[in-house]
Amino acid sequence: DAGVTQSPTHLIKTRGQQVTLRCSPKSGHDTVSWYQQALGQGPQFIFQYYEEEERQRGNFPDRFSGHQFPNYSSELNVNALLLGDSALYLCASSTTGTGSEKLFFGSGTQLSVL
Amino acid sequence: RKEVEQDPGPFNVPEGATVAFNCTYSNSASQSFFWYRQDCRKEPKLLMSVYSSGNEDGRFTAQLNRASQYISLLIRDSKLSDSATYLCVVNSLLGYTGTASKLTFGTGTRLQVTL
Repeated sequence: DAGVTQSPTHLIKTRGQQVTLRCSPKSGHDTVSWYQQALGQGPQFIFQYYEEEERQRGNFPDRFSGHQFPNYSSELNVNALLLGDSALYLCASSTTGTGSEKLFFGSGTQLSVL
Repeated sequence: RKEVEQDPGPFNVPEGATVAFNCTYSNSASQSFFWYRQDCRKEPKLLMSVYSSGNEDGRFTAQLNRASQYISLLIRDSKLSDSATYLCVVNSLLGYTGTASKLTFGTGTRLQVTL
């Protein structure tokens, strides 16, 4: 049973470029959440996708957008990259429930913006 | 005020020591609570859920006080392999239907266990 998989594992971009990160959820999971983790900080919620729609969004600008596909996999897109976007981007999957479901994380994509 | 607050540490303790981490949360409507463990540059992994009645998993004991909006984690007989960052996590329901939820993480408390 494959867990949450993310690609790529590492990425180097320059300011102003655009990036797409990918995530496949754990088998049986239908909800994908994306988090940004800067060095020395806890993961910060970006948004959550369920049934191919963005269900909730954290305090991130519109430069951050996403998509969920019918097979539940998801993409995170970041436009006009800034130096401050350098971080570990984590994808987490779960099943939609009553608020007690647990998140399972992928190993993340380390994004460096130069 | 941050939604979830933790002392970032680091906590430097000798092997065999008992160490306790605390966490407070601001949303009184939060539904469920967890401790996650994160090793350096790795993804967070679920350590244990936290219940009001208190729960234990081997050397780890977690406790929730809803009235004080306070969560704790106690590690007994610390091992070198316990060195990691421990993230306090709160799950809150979203919207009116309450069918979606969001996990909010604290900044984490770093533990370093030494010989």
